[in-house]
Amino acid sequence: DSGVTQTPKHLITATGQRVTLRCSPRSGDLSVYWYQQSLDQGLQFLIQYYNGEERAKGNILERFSAQQFPDLHSELNLSSLELGDSALYFCASSVVFGDEQFFGPGTRLTVL
Amino acid sequence: AQSVTQLGSHVSVSEGALVLLRCNYSSSVSVYLFWYVQYPNQGLQLLLKYLSGSTLVKGINGFEAEFNKSQTSFHLRKPSVHISDTAEYFCAVSDYRGSNYKLTFGKGTLLTVNP
Repeated sequence: DSGVTQTPKHLITATGQRVTLRCSPRSGDLSVYWYQQSLDQGLQFLIQYYNGEERAKGNILERFSAQQFPDLHSELNLSSLELGDSALYFCASSVVFGDEQFFGPGTRLTVL
Repeated sequence: AQSVTQLGSHVSVSEGALVLLRCNYSSSVSVYLFWYVQYPNQGLQLLLKYLSGSTLVKGINGFEAEFNKSQTSFHLRKPSVHISDTAEYFCAVSDYRGSNYKLTFGKGTLLTVNP
C-alpha cells in the first residue's frame, strides 16, 4: 500500500459524458501528478500540482482539467468523453520535486 | 525532450535465471532515473532509483541497476528470478530542469518467469 488513494476504482460511462476522478496523496506529500495508461500510448504524464498550484503540464487534452484543493487532495475532470479516453488513470504523489513518486492503485475508466 | 527506450517488450525466462532488462534514455540535462514494477491489476511500485552518488543501485526484491552516463543507460538486472517476479517493468526518467519533474516512462517490458 503506497498510501495514495484513488476513487473510484472502476468507472463505466458513455461518450459525451463528464466524470471526476479523485486522488488523496500520502500524508505530507505536497506534489500530485496525474498519468494516463493506455495500450497504445503507454504511460503518459498529464499534469502536476504542487501545494495547490499547477506546476507542469504534459499531454493533457483541453477537455481534461484538474485541481488540487487546500487539503491537498486532487481531482481530475474529464469531459466530452470519447471512446479513446478509456484508460487507467493513475495519481502519484511525492514530498519534493524529482524524488520518488508513490502511485495510487488507479481508476479504470471505460467509455462505451 | 526526454525519451526512454526499453529494448524488448516481452522477456521470458526460466525460474532461477539471470535477467537483464535494458533501458536507454535521452536527455540533454542531468537526470534522475527510476525503475517501477506493475503487477497485474495493480499500481506502480518503485523498485529502485538513481539520484546521485554510486552508479550501482540496489533495490527491493533483489533487483539492482547500473547507471552509465556515457552510454545513457540504466539497465535493470536480477541474478536469479522467481516466478513472483512476473510483472511489467517500467524505466522512467525525470530531469531537474526548472520545476518540471514529470516522469517520462518507457513503453515497459513484460517479464514472464516460467517454472
